[in-house]
Amino acid sequence: SQQGEEDPQALSIQEGENATMNCSYKTSINNLQWYRQNSGRGLVHLILIRSNEREKHSGRLRVTLDTSKKSSSLLITASRAADTASYFCATAPAGAQKLVFGQGTRLTINP
Amino acid sequence: DTEVTQTPKHLVMGMTNKKSLKCEQHMGHRAMYWYKQKAKKPPELMFVYSYEKLSINESVPSRFSPECPNSSLLNLHLHALQPEDSALYLCASSPSGRDNEQFFGPGTRLTVL
Repeated sequence: SQQGEEDPQALSIQEGENATMNCSYKTSINNLQWYRQNSGRGLVHLILIRSNEREKHSGRLRVTLDTSKKSSSLLITASRAADTASYFCATAPAGAQKLVFGQGTRLTINP
Repeated sequence: DTEVTQTPKHLVMGMTNKKSLKCEQHMGHRAMYWYKQKAKKPPELMFVYSYEKLSINESVPSRFSPECPNSSLLNLHLHALQPEDSALYLCASSPSGRDNEQFFGPGTRLTVL
């Protein structure tokens, strides 16, 4: 079963605004990753944050991780129409060679 | 070469057909994965191969049969599928190591009639 929960399930904002998505998980992890998926296509890896890290930046992306609350957030700043996609968090459980994906957030950026 | 390729892009098959999905990567990754994804749902892990050996089978029905002929190739053999097996099938690969960052192919859209 999927251990990650994401909210919101869907988010619609205006171009230029910031978008924040949240992810919660249940077990101990080695790292947490965020992926983007354009409609009906493969997933693209965005960013990885390890369990001993609290915050990480990559371009317009900012990820935080709170292992005490078992939660993470993804912030996309200055959104663009091309950011329209589904975003999934994925946890790498400790001791397991696999990823467990959250339910995803469908992000729509309106021009 | 930093991509994972999958063929075919689309596949329509009857319930009595036998078909195969193919996946290839030339990044030297030693772990490869098959996922199934239904519309508006997250990918669900089916199989993991590590160093060409099957390491995880997530209780997938036997009508799905994976094969890893070498470190670059991964196949998924399909036989006697059901209409509910219609989905996007994604292949991924990752380097060995604890981070497990995965690189995904574009997927095969499978329709079972």
